[in-house]
Amino acid sequence: GAVVSQHPSWVICKSGTSVKIECRSLDFQATTMFWYRQFPKQSLMLMATSNEGSKATYEQGVEKDKFLINHASLTLSTLTVTSAHPEDSSFYICSARDPTRTARTFGGTQYFGPGTRLTVL
Amino acid sequence: GDSVTQMEGPVTLSEEAFLTINCTYTATGYPSLFWYVQYPGEGLQLLLKATKADDKGSNKGFEATYRKETTSFHLEKGSVQVSDSAVYFCALINGNNRLAFGKGNQVVVIP
Repeated sequence: GAVVSQHPSWVICKSGTSVKIECRSLDFQATTMFWYRQFPKQSLMLMATSNEGSKATYEQGVEKDKFLINHASLTLSTLTVTSAHPEDSSFYICSARDPTRTARTFGGTQYFGPGTRLTVL
Repeated sequence: GDSVTQMEGPVTLSEEAFLTINCTYTATGYPSLFWYVQYPGEGLQLLLKATKADDKGSNKGFEATYRKETTSFHLEKGSVQVSDSAVYFCALINGNNRLAFGKGNQVVVIP
């Protein structure tokens, strides 16, 4: 199957600093990428949908100015957590949609990265 | 809104045992249903899916049947292996094209 990578796999930062997480589709071009957040023993919660060359669409309750998303190329989307605080500590997961696959069931064409563990001290 | 509920707690069982993980959903219309698996250190992978009522998804010995009357999509495997140890997520996608996930279940298979 298609491969999606995330970097870094884990990061520890001080409160008030900004952290950038990269999501790359390695063997296909992804016009759409998704960013999820997962708390311990909780579901993956969709944060935003990122479309190449346009502004991201954020889910209700997600602060746009805090979680900056850039999808500047067909293989790379970045999530920047600005002025991070301890409550931002979480597991962040991206996925990328392969547009060449059938569109009937979108879930089947989303490929997930391994996730990034963010810890804010 | 759309939601998925999975049974609480991790599942620990012996090799060759029968595995069942319950999943129920709440959604309007006719969602597509999925099971994803996450092996240690890896991203989520699609395990199986079903797109309409009474469909049965199957893969790697796992099966799940889309039951609209009970709004369920329970995952089963007749004889698990140690290599099946992973976290399993039930999910749905509906007209808004957004995946909604359950909380996931950690499955540990003991030799």
